[in-house]
Amino acid sequence: AQTVTQSQPEMSVQEAETVTLSCTYDTSENNYYLFWYKQPPSRQMILVIRQEAYKQQNATENRFSVNFQKAAKSFSLKISDSQLGDTAMYFCAFISLPTQGGSEKLVFGKGTKLTVNP
Amino acid sequence: NAGVTQTPKFQVLKTGQSMTLQCAQDMNHNSMYWYRQDPGMGLRLIYYSASEGTTDKGEVPNGYNVSRLNKREFSLRLESAAPSQTSVYFCASSLDRANYGYTFGSGTRLTVV
Repeated sequence: AQTVTQSQPEMSVQEAETVTLSCTYDTSENNYYLFWYKQPPSRQMILVIRQEAYKQQNATENRFSVNFQKAAKSFSLKISDSQLGDTAMYFCAFISLPTQGGSEKLVFGKGTKLTVNP
Repeated sequence: NAGVTQTPKFQVLKTGQSMTLQCAQDMNHNSMYWYRQDPGMGLRLIYYSASEGTTDKGEVPNGYNVSRLNKREFSLRLESAAPSQTSVYFCASSLDRANYGYTFGSGTRLTVV
């Protein structure tokens, strides 16, 4: 079974500082994608960043970047210049595209609650 | 562009009551999903529909039924609600190859008393 583990239930950071959220995953597939979703208090699930497993280059989106270590099955999210609006739950998620058919389903970690302090 | 629309946003049920959560998407996506979110548990898949006319069980299907009414709509039914079904429910949709992730609705907070 494919699993996603987020080992930090809660984290906090001062405004303008940098924080890194951890995520590890387990799969035997070679073709897969990794995501970070943000869930602010509004409850909406917002896609933050996406990484394709076959790309060695780490994905970046403005202040958000990832450190993708395929051999270690690690996918951490770095938030630079943290802002108050970054306060949210962050979920790491994984989807594989099986070569032998079957359905593709997004598997989520349990989340990390990030608080940005003024 | 509305994306994924869920109704209702909030609901309180008594134990044993039934209800249907509605979900519709206007992005011409083939695949649709229902997840539940519980504190400390992340999002867990209840049921999904890879295409119109097909549905399959996810990780936690017990106590739920689904209907893929057409390509746009995917409903989730609780036949006899239990307090353990108190949760936030999310509907999502995706292209056939979900390598760009899912688009989520805004969720339904359901409380069963």
